[in-house]
Amino acid sequence: EIVLTQSPGTLSLSPGERATLSCRASQTVFSSYLAWYQQKPGQAPRLLIYSTSTRATGIPDRFSGSGSGTDFTLTISRLEPEDFAVYYCQQYSSSPLFTFGPGTRVDIK
Amino acid sequence: EVQLLESGGGLVQSGESLRLSCAASGFTSMNYVMSWVRQAPGKGLEWVSSIHIGGGITYDADSVRGRFTISRDNSKNMLFLQMNNLRADDTAVYYCVKGRSDWLDAFDIWGHGTTVTVSS
Repeated sequence: EIVLTQSPGTLSLSPGERATLSCRASQTVFSSYLAWYQQKPGQAPRLLIYSTSTRATGIPDRFSGSGSGTDFTLTISRLEPEDFAVYYCQQYSSSPLFTFGPGTRVDIK
Repeated sequence: EVQLLESGGGLVQSGESLRLSCAASGFTSMNYVMSWVRQAPGKGLEWVSSIHIGGGITYDADSVRGRFTISRDNSKNMLFLQMNNLRADDTAVYYCVKGRSDWLDAFDIWGHGTTVTVSS
């Protein structure tokens, strides 16, 4: 069973700064089947990135994903006020079918 | 507009049953794997169940296997989740989600969620 760990738990940054979020898997995520989601309070999650590095429709290019194997990263190049939210990584490569990480909260410093 | 609308949530007692429904619009849901994802109050996301495009193949998380059953009616663009023998730890917002493709893939469309509360 693949377990995902995200770090840090909370990231306190100012608008305009760069955010780097980490997602580590307990086993290799095959075919780079890793996604990232953003969730704001009271809202459903929104798909940002799939297949490790492909931006979903309508996602601005300040969001980028990278990584392979067991280590993956979501980078927000310059934080906008609307980017302060919780971010989850998800693998969809092996049993259990879909696993989410515990999330990283990006707070305004 | 592509949209998923859940219904059927509510307050039930431990051991009771509930059936969630999800109406898809703006796309043909039969072409995609559909799933349910839940989120307990103040907690993270937990995948619950998924169903293949034809409906003949389903997948469940260990936490719900044997108690929850996912199904779909492609003729009506509907997805369902039959939840039996509910427990307090099933309390959550339940999201209906659309996969990006007809196989295992990321979830690109989410409903707004329906709240299930199980009292013990």
